[in-house]
Amino acid sequence: GNSVTQMEGPVTLSEEAFLTINCTYTATGYPSLFWYVQYPGEGLQLLLKATKADDKGSNKGFEATYRKETTSFHLEKGSVQVSDSAVYFCALINNAGNMLTFGGGTRLMVKP
Amino acid sequence: GAGVSQSPSNKVTEKGKDVELRCDPISGHTALYWYRQSLGQGLEFLIYFQGNSAPDKSGLPSDRFSAERTGGSVSTLTIQRTQQEDSAVYLCASSLTPQGGEQYFGPGTRLTVT
Repeated sequence: GNSVTQMEGPVTLSEEAFLTINCTYTATGYPSLFWYVQYPGEGLQLLLKATKADDKGSNKGFEATYRKETTSFHLEKGSVQVSDSAVYFCALINNAGNMLTFGGGTRLMVKP
Repeated sequence: GAGVSQSPSNKVTEKGKDVELRCDPISGHTALYWYRQSLGQGLEFLIYFQGNSAPDKSGLPSDRFSAERTGGSVSTLTIQRTQQEDSAVYLCASSLTPQGGEQYFGPGTRLTVT
């Protein structure tokens, strides 16, 4: 079956540091890949997505590239802010589009 | 426009009682999903609706869990004879169509079984 593995947190960074959160997946066919973010006290929000190999999703300074050869979708940001503190979830959706499979989530804490 | 709404936002119930959780999807979204978020299990898929039918019930953890959707809109997740291990945040999401996968999530219902 499908699965998503992401680095465990918490990840603690200083403001303006470079962020990488690793995500790898196992899936049959050609899944779409997503990063969702959950800010404290809020619901899950779609951060970015990529639907095919070599696509790059980007939003709010975050980006991730769909790498089929390494089955990865690592999240990066060049300069994090305190307001980026949240839990980040990598996810994929199967070809039928009827369920998201999530990684375990990575908590990011950015200190001023 | 309005996003996905869920009610109640919090529910505390005694072990053995039945509970109903409600989800109002974004207007016009044909696909509706229920997930559960708990400390030990992360985010788990429960059930999916396309219109009023549920072609995939594979994620329901036991026969105490059931869900329905009426009029292609509102959905209710029912848990009978609740157990302490049912304590979690229950999330609902909707999407315009199943394909493409861009699901929009509601704020969740936090269920605590005492």
